Amino acid sequence: EIVMTQSPATLSLSPGERASLSCGASQSVNSNLAWYQQKPGQAPRLLIYGASTRATGIPARFSGSGSGTEFTLTISSLQSEDFAVYYCQQYNNWPLTFGGGTKVEIK
Amino acid sequence: EVQLLESGGGLVQSGGSLRLSCAASGFTFTNFAMGWVRQAPGKGLEWLLTISGSGGATNYADSVKGRFTISRDNSKNTLYLQMNSLGSDDTAVYYCARENWDWPYFDYWGQGTLVTVSS
Repeated sequence: EIVMTQSPATLSLSPGERASLSCGASQSVNSNLAWYQQKPGQAPRLLIYGASTRATGIPARFSGSGSGTEFTLTISSLQSEDFAVYYCQQYNNWPLTFGGGTKVEIK
Repeated sequence: EVQLLESGGGLVQSGGSLRLSCAASGFTFTNFAMGWVRQAPGKGLEWLLTISGSGGATNYADSVKGRFTISRDNSKNTLYLQMNSLGSDDTAVYYCARENWDWPYFDYWGQGTLVTVSS
């Protein structure tokens, strides 16, 4: 099983600041990596797939990068609606696995 | 508009069984693999099972193998999760989700249904 590790667990930032979230895989997942956003009481929402491709309707301030074992989700300028928990997921191998999540909170 | 609506959650005693349903609309159901993902209270996401569009192929997480079964009725555009031998660790919100047509990431999610297992 591929273990996905996200850091930091919590990121405290102010609106307008840049957020960088990391996701590491215990072995290469190539570019088969997705990012999701989850707000309290809501289902996750797909943000990024293929490590760097934004899903339909996702604002350009969200970007993904990386390949192999190291990945980054960047939010260029945090908006109030971006404060949420973010998860990465590898889909290179079965079983599908998620990272533990990074909570982006208002500082 | 793609919609996924789960139902069937509730309170069940330890050792009991429950069947969840997920009604799909807004897309050609048989063309897409579907999966179940759960989230224990205050915890992260855990993939559980996936079934192909035809229903002929499945994948299971070790944590549910032998206890949970995924199935689908393409004539009813409905996905199912049969859960047996439930334990307290199975308490969670259960989401059904559509997998992208070519790779198993989840492009649409239902709102989730809460399953609470009491001891």
